[in-house]
Amino acid sequence: DGGITQSPKYLFRKEGQNVTLSCEQNLNHDAMYWYRQDPGQGLRLIYYSQIVNDFQKGDIAEGYSVSREKKESFPLTVTSAQKNPTAFYLCASSPGPGLSNQPQHFGDGTRLSIL
Amino acid sequence: AQTVTQSQPEMSVQEAETVTLSCTYDTSENNYYLFWYKQPPSRQMILVIRQEAYKQQNATENRFSVNFQKAAKSFSLKISDSQLGDTAMYFCAFISYNNNDMRFGAGTRLTVKP
Repeated sequence: DGGITQSPKYLFRKEGQNVTLSCEQNLNHDAMYWYRQDPGQGLRLIYYSQIVNDFQKGDIAEGYSVSREKKESFPLTVTSAQKNPTAFYLCASSPGPGLSNQPQHFGDGTRLSIL
Repeated sequence: AQTVTQSQPEMSVQEAETVTLSCTYDTSENNYYLFWYKQPPSRQMILVIRQEAYKQQNATENRFSVNFQKAAKSFSLKISDSQLGDTAMYFCAFISYNNNDMRFGAGTRLTVKP
């Protein structure tokens, strides 16, 4: 079955450490997204990518970085510059530009905590 | 930038009753799409219903229906015959026709009581 795989499910970060969250999709979708969700709050967009080798900042991009070298993969790096990284991170994908009526498909999320 | 507002942080309803969740949005665009997503305790994001802005007819999906008022920029979700499994966070979302920048509201936590 096609879908989005996020790994790991739980991740811990030490002070000053960069960590990378994985997101892989086999839906042949062009667009991919990263959201952050804090307890009791909605989803805030970190970065999104509409095609390979291109990505745009969302509302809260500071302290995060992404790459889109392959259509299937959109890893998110939480850098040491992100001072409050503890949150639930959701990756999503959608078919792409001009197909905005198609809903986003979501992964199961990664919970990141500070040690 | 577009914004989505859900003014009800929490709501509750008795099983088998009907409940309406509110959502308003702000945009200068004319062509866009609106969605309601459900997030149960498992934290999966599940699409509930979608609405194309160019369609006047309100979308319906089994027990779920919307009241889409384009001029008022309002997109409420009505859940009929509420079931215990409907207990979840519900998010309203907006996406422009011209790009893939989807915006979510802060969510409404719905509890269905037996």
